Amino acid sequence: NAGVTQTPKFRILKIGQSMTLQCAQDMNHNYMYWYRQDPGMGLKLIYYSVGAGITDKGEVPNGYNVSRSTTEDFPLRLELAAPSQTSVYFCASSPGTAQPQHFGDGTRLSIL
Amino acid sequence: LAKTTQPISMDSYEGQEVNITCSHNNIATNDYITWYQQFPSQGPRFIIQGYKTKVTNEVASLFIPADRKSSTLSLPRVSLSDTAVYYCLVVDHNQGGKLIFGQGTELSVKP
Repeated sequence: NAGVTQTPKFRILKIGQSMTLQCAQDMNHNYMYWYRQDPGMGLKLIYYSVGAGITDKGEVPNGYNVSRSTTEDFPLRLELAAPSQTSVYFCASSPGTAQPQHFGDGTRLSIL
Repeated sequence: LAKTTQPISMDSYEGQEVNITCSHNNIATNDYITWYQQFPSQGPRFIIQGYKTKVTNEVASLFIPADRKSSTLSLPRVSLSDTAVYYCLVVDHNQGGKLIFGQGTELSVKP
């Protein structure tokens, strides 16, 4: 099993561009999460989903959108990239809310 | 509202026991406390989880006092490969199930 797969691993964007960060899991987990991690800091939750068709905001949702059309996939969309969105983005999944999360290896995003 | 506090960094030597404490006020009685390990350029990896007293697995122990205002991750006999950042995670159901990650403790193990 691949676990949680994130693509791309690295990306440089110009201010105002848009892009989608992809996340896929093959563990049939209901819960999926997107976090951002700024240098030297902990993880902050952007959005999460408790199942296909259901998404909700986390701590720092502004500037991002998500969708969950299937159990496996949970893409994160940046519509108008801003320098403040330069960060490492992690996707995670878990069977339930109180159960351990499995993380991908992250997408390193720079916006110049 | 729940908030977590961890030491920013700790130093240790190979073979020693390391204890990392996370303070987390105002979490619900049955909410789990989870600890993760993160190496550079990787996603966090689950270490251990519990909600009361003591939990032990093959890599660590987790101690949670009765008031649940803190938890301590104990790593027995650390090695150089345990050098990493360690995060505690709590769920704040007083905020609708918000996930609260600590700021992380950077553990450096020296030979």
